[in-house]
Amino acid sequence: NAGVTQTPKFRVLKTGQSMTLLCAQDMNHEYMYWYRQDPGMGLRLIHYSVGEGTTAKGEVPDGYNVSRLKKQNFLLGLESAAPSQTSVYFCASSYSISGAYNEQFFGPGTRLTVL
Amino acid sequence: ELKVEQNPLFLSMQEGKNYTIYCNYSTTSDRLYWYRQDPGKSLESLFVLLSNGAVKQEGRLMASLDTKARLSTLHITAAVHDLSATYFCAVDKGTYKYIFGTGTRLKVLA
Repeated sequence: NAGVTQTPKFRVLKTGQSMTLLCAQDMNHEYMYWYRQDPGMGLRLIHYSVGEGTTAKGEVPDGYNVSRLKKQNFLLGLESAAPSQTSVYFCASSYSISGAYNEQFFGPGTRLTVL
Repeated sequence: ELKVEQNPLFLSMQEGKNYTIYCNYSTTSDRLYWYRQDPGKSLESLFVLLSNGAVKQEGRLMASLDTKARLSTLHITAAVHDLSATYFCAVDKGTYKYIFGTGTRLKVLA
């Protein structure tokens, strides 16, 4: 099992450019998440999905869009990148058993710089 | 609004010493998670604490949960250099969403 994978690992954008980050998981997890990690701020939830075809906003959704067309994939889009979106982005997946949630499994991260 | 606070934020300790990291959260939750992150790496799950009084141990690390006090501790026994990392606690809100603390950066000195 590859677990959770993210593409790309690094990216440099100019202000106003767009891009899509891809997250894939092979654990058949229902729940998927996108976080950003900035120094001294821990992880902040951008968007999440509780199943194929569903998405919801997290703490910091502005400037981002997501889609989950297939259960194993969760895409994060930046339509018009801004320097404030320079960050490390982590994707995670999770599952529940009998309605109880469990730990998240994280991807390796994408380091994004917006100039 | 659920808030999760960790202290200390930074911890420098000598090998062989014991220490405890604290995680406080502001609202009721029965589940708490501890993760480890090495520099430049992803997060790795350490412990899942699913009920009041839960205690889990792995090697030199032991985690406990007191849901009444809204407090979890991560105790380090006889620290070794390999434990140097950033440790995060996280609480789930019961709605698929997890809130993370800001992390405790641990440095174990030889």
